[in-house]
Amino acid sequence: QKEVEQDPGPLSVPEGAIVSLNCTYSNSAFQYFMWYRQYSRKGPELLMYTYSSGNKEDGRFTAQVDKSSKYISLFIRDSQPSDSATYLCAMLKTSYDKVIFGPGTSLSVIP
Amino acid sequence: GAVVSQHPSWVICKSGTSVKIECRSLDFQATTMFWYRQFPKQSLMLMATSNEGSKATYEQGVEKDKFLINHASLTLSTLTVTSAHPEDSSFYICSASSVPGQGWDGNSPLHFGNGTRLTVT
Repeated sequence: QKEVEQDPGPLSVPEGAIVSLNCTYSNSAFQYFMWYRQYSRKGPELLMYTYSSGNKEDGRFTAQVDKSSKYISLFIRDSQPSDSATYLCAMLKTSYDKVIFGPGTSLSVIP
Repeated sequence: GAVVSQHPSWVICKSGTSVKIECRSLDFQATTMFWYRQFPKQSLMLMATSNEGSKATYEQGVEKDKFLINHASLTLSTLTVTSAHPEDSSFYICSASSVPGQGWDGNSPLHFGNGTRLTVT
């Protein structure tokens, strides 16, 4: 079993839809959780980061962490064609640990 | 926010030659820099971790003599692919942290450069 699992997609939604992206993980020691967006042939861009459980909202993006279920989510409201990218979840056990990335979910928002 | 610049963004080289890729932190001092490799439709694979002024730590399976990493200052790390072969063709991405390790100082976790696409012919 991989440490971090993520549905690779591709996920295709119409413009304006609410998008739900998810990752599951196996190690309960993970405490730091991040979401990155990666456009084709570009480096990952940090979107959201959270520590431990709970929700965090930033504009159209909401990150949720449920440590009891070992499940994290990224919600995108009012999705735009410019949101079309690959979304990578990432996590750490401690701030000095190695980042573990999920394989990424490819999202297409259709105008 | 923190900016990491990577150069070149795209390079083609002939088999057997060496290629150097630069990674710079533009607005912060990068205590630690990281080099990743990414194959199409796959996630990032950590190759090595470098700390300013000391030798890089390579991940298992990564040839240290083939992928030379130098972190000579708090704002610059370089990756040199020596005697490149077609199988080294890949997308190489650097990242930088202002704290030891890959976490954050409470404000800014790992930031990435825009990557370098290497094609070896």
